[in-house]
Amino acid sequence: DAMVIQNPRYQVTQFGKPVTLSCSQTLNHNVMYWYQQKSSQAPKLLFHYYDKDFNNEADTPDNFQSRRPNTSFCFLDIRSPGLGDAAMYLCATSLSVQETQYFGPGTRLLVL
Amino acid sequence: SQQGEEDPQALSIQEGENATMNCSYKTSINNLQWYRQNSGRGLVHLILIRSNEREKHSGRLRVTLDTSKKSSSLLITASRAADTASYFCATDDPLQYNFNKFYFGSGTKLNVKP
Repeated sequence: DAMVIQNPRYQVTQFGKPVTLSCSQTLNHNVMYWYQQKSSQAPKLLFHYYDKDFNNEADTPDNFQSRRPNTSFCFLDIRSPGLGDAAMYLCATSLSVQETQYFGPGTRLLVL
Repeated sequence: SQQGEEDPQALSIQEGENATMNCSYKTSINNLQWYRQNSGRGLVHLILIRSNEREKHSGRLRVTLDTSKKSSSLLITASRAADTASYFCATDDPLQYNFNKFYFGSGTKLNVKP
């Protein structure tokens, strides 16, 4: 029944060691989003894909990259994690523009 | 930016009472959405209200939208301990080139005491 799946749920990495978070969806939605959420803060949009069209937020650090090899999967790559990148990373999908977003359970990243 | 602001930041009530949360935003919108987030989990969509709508209901939830005041409210009636969560509003910004984006407010943390 899971519609938006994120793996792993918890990820521990070392300072500067690249890490990849994954998201998959069974909804066949066109749009996939990655958000960063720090404790007690609003989710902050990092980037999103509309189909294969990649849209980066202006203030998303270059350290964050994304890949969407097909409709179902989307990856978040953090090339050199810093201590400030420790956060919950949320993946979401929507069928089309301005529609309901369906969120995965999130991956909590800890940087040592 | 369009980011909404929720009010209050935190709310503590007894089970059975009603809870009201407010969201204000800055520019015109096409729609506004409310989401719930349990601690350490993903967000769950509650209600979407479009700019030409004034009120929507879903079970114990009632959302109102006043575009002239650029504000929305979420009312949870007869609250339960299971309603304890953070509640976020999210707005789009039709003035932005890219219509796919939503902006989340900082959230209201609701605690319902049994």
